[in-house]
Amino acid sequence: GNSVTQMEGPVTLSEEAFLTINCTYTATGYPSLFWYVQYPGEGLQLLLKATKADDKGSNKGFEATYRKETTSFHLEKGSVQVSDSAVYFCISQNSGGSNYKLTFGKGTLLTVNP
Amino acid sequence: EADIYQTPRYLVIGTGKKITLECSQTMGHDKMYWYQQDPGMELHLIHYSYGVNSTEKGDLSSESTVSRIRTEHFPLTLESARPSHTSQYLCASSEYVSYEQFFGPGTRLTVL
Repeated sequence: GNSVTQMEGPVTLSEEAFLTINCTYTATGYPSLFWYVQYPGEGLQLLLKATKADDKGSNKGFEATYRKETTSFHLEKGSVQVSDSAVYFCISQNSGGSNYKLTFGKGTLLTVNP
Repeated sequence: EADIYQTPRYLVIGTGKKITLECSQTMGHDKMYWYQQDPGMELHLIHYSYGVNSTEKGDLSSESTVSRIRTEHFPLTLESARPSHTSQYLCASSEYVSYEQFFGPGTRLTVL
């Protein structure tokens, strides 16, 4: 079956540091890939997505590139802020047919200190 | 901005009580989902619905039940709560199965 493996946390960084959260996937076919973010006390919200190989998703300074050859979708940000402190989930979804379900990574807790 | 609501946000109850967690969305989405989030943050799909009068069990076995009588409403019920039901419950909806899912803020349930 499908699976998503993301870097275990917690990750603690100082403000303005560079962030990378690794994510790799296994799937049949060519899934869509997402990064969702969960701020404290809230539900998940979509951060960025990519639907095919070599697509780059970007939002709020975060970027991730769909790498088919390495089956990866690593999340990066050049300069983190305290307000980026949250849990980040890498998620895959098979496209097409009736297989709609999301496959979740286990989440990575990021804490950014001033 | 997503318009999906969950009530209550926090609930503390005793063992054996019947509870209903409410979830409503105003986006007209056909697809709705319930997830259970364990303390380690991992999410598990426990129920989903493709539309009115359609409900299915998810990947994680759950003693809860759901109903979908109206498009906008997808309540989850526990007939007899137990401490093992203590968790965060997240509701989500999407326009089509392959589209982005919008999540509610969650209900944090504690069963004593």
